[in-house]
Amino acid sequence: GAVVSQHPSWVICKSGTSVKIECRSLDFQATTMFWYRQFPKQSLMLMATSNEGSKATYEQGVEKDKFLINHASLTLSTLTVTSAHPEDSSFYICSASPGADGHNEQFFGPGTRLTVL
Amino acid sequence: QKEVEQDPGPLSVPEGAIVSLNCTYSNSAFQYFMWYRQYSRKGPELLMYTYSSGNKEDGRFTAQVDKSSKYISLFIRDSQPSDSATYLCAGGSSASKIIFGSGTRLSIRP
Repeated sequence: GAVVSQHPSWVICKSGTSVKIECRSLDFQATTMFWYRQFPKQSLMLMATSNEGSKATYEQGVEKDKFLINHASLTLSTLTVTSAHPEDSSFYICSASPGADGHNEQFFGPGTRLTVL
Repeated sequence: QKEVEQDPGPLSVPEGAIVSLNCTYSNSAFQYFMWYRQYSRKGPELLMYTYSSGNKEDGRFTAQVDKSSKYISLFIRDSQPSDSATYLCAGGSSASKIIFGSGTRLSIRP
């Protein structure tokens, strides 16, 4: 149980285009979903936290207009990188938390590697 | 000071050895703690989840939490080359988001 999927697993795009990444909890309902980015050999950097049906909460320094998050249902959240630039190239990972009955652990997706040319 | 401190390593041990991975934290409000394993270019995989102080064992893995000293540990018995990965510790509470350590790179030599 507790499987989280991400799609696509990798994407290459041209500078200036937008890229959408999907995160799905496959066998549980996720009260909260999180989006992280990770640079090589570095730890996870939380970008934003989203709850189903409400606006995402962004961490300091993360541009909400550039990284659009939509948590449309209890099993799906999307991250759209708008007008992507080479410096946005990174490994983007989502996680989902049941958030019910005291279960606060986060289950991670496999990640999406974004390369912006 | 980071809320969760973790030695980045790398830590290299021979196959079959007992591995000890450690973290310290500063937030006394943390109630639950986790250990994740992350292979290169993959998402983190939850290994252990513990609530409050004490020990928890799952197969070759044992997690320890000492809230009095704000110290958390992960022990791996009979280490295998497949255990080579980066291990992330994390702490959290109902009132705060989960905070991750920077990760320790572990290498098990055959």
